[in-house]
Amino acid sequence: AQSVAQPEDQVNVAEGNPLTVKCTYSVSGNPYLFWYVQYPNRGLQFLLKYITGDNLVKGSYGFEAEFNKSQTSFHLKKPSALVSDSALYFCAVSSASGGSYIPTFGRGTSLIVHP
Amino acid sequence: AAGVIQSPRHLIKEKRETATLKCYPIPRHDTVYWYQQGPGQDPQFLISFYEKMQSDKGSIPDRFSAQQFSDYHSELNMSSLELGDSALYFCASSLGGSGANVLTFGAGSRLTVL
Repeated sequence: AQSVAQPEDQVNVAEGNPLTVKCTYSVSGNPYLFWYVQYPNRGLQFLLKYITGDNLVKGSYGFEAEFNKSQTSFHLKKPSALVSDSALYFCAVSSASGGSYIPTFGRGTSLIVHP
Repeated sequence: AAGVIQSPRHLIKEKRETATLKCYPIPRHDTVYWYQQGPGQDPQFLISFYEKMQSDKGSIPDRFSAQQFSDYHSELNMSSLELGDSALYFCASSLGGSGANVLTFGAGSRLTVL
């Protein structure tokens, strides 16, 4: 079965500093990888995805993520954090072949950006 | 742009009662997904529909059922409610049933079982 691990329940960063939210995955075959963000009392919103090709994926609001096949990781990054980036971030994986096309989500990481 | 609409947004029920949640996907999206998110938990996949037919089933209890209607809206029916059913229920839709598809989520329906 496919799975996602987000090892940090919470990440704290000062505004203007770079941020990283970690994600590792397990899936049969090649992965499709996603990051979604959830604000309080809202549904999940798509940030970016990796399908194939360039390992560095750029998404909305200045976020990017790097696919590392050997480490089975897809960490979310942003060079300069904003207070408004504070939210819950979910990594998700689905299978390109041999597994489920239904996205499996991680537990989420709460990002807190301090002014 | 139209989004995924869920109703009701909040619902309070007693144990052993029934509840029905509704979801209206984005127009022309042909796939609907239901997820359950308990407090502090990751969203757990319940069930999905593609072109009005059930396409995949996850950890949906036997007490729950769902269907997708001719106008593509979907309903999640929950019977014999238990305290543990208290959660945020998300509906999402996508165009096509590929794993590469981006899901668009509704704001969720928060069910509280007393």
